[in-house]
Amino acid sequence: GAVVSQHPSWVICKSGTSVKIECRSLDFQATTMFWYRQFPKQSLMLMATSNEGSKATYEQGVEKDKFLINHASLTLSTLTVTSAHPEDSSFYICSARDLGIFNEKLFFGSGTQLSVL
Amino acid sequence: SQQGEEDPQALSIQEGENATMNCSYKTSINNLQWYRQNSGRGLVHLILIRSNEREKHSGRLRVTLDTSKKSSSLLITASRAADTASYFCATDPSGNKFYFGSGTKLNVKP
Repeated sequence: GAVVSQHPSWVICKSGTSVKIECRSLDFQATTMFWYRQFPKQSLMLMATSNEGSKATYEQGVEKDKFLINHASLTLSTLTVTSAHPEDSSFYICSARDLGIFNEKLFFGSGTQLSVL
Repeated sequence: SQQGEEDPQALSIQEGENATMNCSYKTSINNLQWYRQNSGRGLVHLILIRSNEREKHSGRLRVTLDTSKKSSSLLITASRAADTASYFCATDPSGNKFYFGSGTKLNVKP
């Protein structure tokens, strides 16, 4: 099956620093990747849709300058949380859509727990 | 949630019992999918049902879809302790984005 690798699994950083999270599709090409944010005991909130070779599409209420998304290749998307603050602490999960026969479902990374001190 | 609600929010049952969870959504859909999330991990796809289907089976899973009521249910039969997880429904109203429901946390006691 399709595998999505997400790194790091967890990160602790100081307030004001930037953190980059990588999401890679290991055995398939993904023109579209999705970034979600999940608060404890809550659902996944779609933050943005990452499109290879073009600008990401952000959901309403998500700050583009705070959460920078780059999708430079068919297998890699990155989310950078800029000038992180404690309220940015959360569980971030990426997912990718396979262009092949499984193109209707999502494959997820294992998530990144971000803690901003 | 961005998409809709699921109920119950939490469900605790004994091993061997059936577990039913429901999902309601807001807009028209192409298909509805169910995912499972183990604590602190990513999600795993379980089953997909298309808008023109009413029921679908996969192993111990049974999914129903009522587009007139904008609702779906997931039934897990003969539950096992290993089924303990959170379960989410997801829809793609526009065909290009996936929105998730609020989830049901299932606890199966051995």
